[in-house]
Amino acid sequence: DSGVTQTPKHLITATGQRVTLRCSPRSGDLSVYWYQQSLDQGLQFLIQYYNGEERAKGNILERFSAQQFPDLHSELNLSSLELGDSALYFCASSAQLAGGPMRTDTQYFGPGTRLTVL
Amino acid sequence: LAKTTQPISMDSYEGQEVNITCSHNNIATNDYITWYQQFPSQGPRFIIQGYKTKVTNEVASLFIPADRKSSTLSLPRVSLSDTAVYYCLVGTPTNAGKSTFGDGTTLTVKP
Repeated sequence: DSGVTQTPKHLITATGQRVTLRCSPRSGDLSVYWYQQSLDQGLQFLIQYYNGEERAKGNILERFSAQQFPDLHSELNLSSLELGDSALYFCASSAQLAGGPMRTDTQYFGPGTRLTVL
Repeated sequence: LAKTTQPISMDSYEGQEVNITCSHNNIATNDYITWYQQFPSQGPRFIIQGYKTKVTNEVASLFIPADRKSSTLSLPRVSLSDTAVYYCLVGTPTNAGKSTFGDGTTLTVKP
């Protein structure tokens, strides 16, 4: 158990709909990251937050957005869903701010949310 | 942004030692090297991290030569449960906003 929790575990929805995925980081971790992993694909970094502020953006579509709240939990919002958005969505957390003097931020991943768009 | 190159797949047998090498020719001075393990439908799990020479923990060893242009993850006496994808990561996954997780190495351990 990494200490990172994600809800829901599974989500089935229809094209055009909007969903919200939730992540609670490990106690004390200030950084939250979101990743997408499609079937047989590698991990695609979407976005990172640190202490409530957006810190880095990866391959995140304009239909997707995220935020980190004062209690440090984070939500990933996916709208106008398409079939191709079906994937595992992982949240990870780390204690350090990425991009510090030494580039290392050991990430602890949650169990993921499996999104199926029909 | 340090790009990593790993073998796509490797096979081994139970009880053998497995070494997975990762190339990272343009590693930056302040980059650490981190290895993760991922089982199907689960989030990646941190295995080991190092900066230079050798690091050992209860599950693996990490060998980094002096030039740091490559690293080798060593798994002693693998078992069937070590069958997974192993990712080598250099620096942080969010360098310049790009993921550097790559495709990883699929290790299959056979009985």
